[in-house]
Amino acid sequence: KAGVTQTPRYLIKTRGQQVTLSCSPISGHRSVSWYQQTPGQGLQFLFEYFSETQRNKGNFPGRFSGRQFSNSRSEMNVSTLELGDSALYLCASSLVPSGELFFGEGSRLTVL
Amino acid sequence: ILNVEQSPQSLHVQEGDSTNFTCSFPSSNFYALHWYRWETAKSPEALFVMTLNGDEKKKGRISATLNTKEGYSYLYIKGSQPEDSATYLCGETSGSRLTFGEGTQLTVNP
Repeated sequence: KAGVTQTPRYLIKTRGQQVTLSCSPISGHRSVSWYQQTPGQGLQFLFEYFSETQRNKGNFPGRFSGRQFSNSRSEMNVSTLELGDSALYLCASSLVPSGELFFGEGSRLTVL
Repeated sequence: ILNVEQSPQSLHVQEGDSTNFTCSFPSSNFYALHWYRWETAKSPEALFVMTLNGDEKKKGRISATLNTKEGYSYLYIKGSQPEDSATYLCGETSGSRLTFGEGTQLTVNP
């Protein structure tokens, strides 16, 4: 079956712009979580959604937001981009919250 | 321990060596311990998810143990191969959040 699909894979934005990243989970997976990885850092938890509800949010400013649709697809949005937002953003889906994660290939964002 | 901590940060071994890494985590409010392998230019892949104190899991040459009372897990690789070169991530679920350590980067030299 198809894996987790993230789009776009690469994007370049400038400071002050906003960006929306998309994640399509594995069919049947209702839990989607997002992580940020910056150079020298581990995976930092952004949010987790289950059945369209945000179950938990990491320690990120309000510029970072997300949502999940009825088909379990999820989007995350970053507004007013800053240079420090340059990172690899990984989405993962699981059958149940906090279950084994299946990761997408990530969206690599560069902010100039 | 307040966060998930992994040691060592990096490790270089020769092909055929056996090796192990440590993951330490806060033992209060524990729910599950995850291990993932992350190869360069690929997505992280799950190795093990463990929930019970004393759990031991094995997949081929890789095995893991869990001690929830003292808050640590060990990952063992027997007879390392160059294809084992990757970053090994450990993550702890407490409450509804999965928190990862910074990983152990393993390089296996042929």
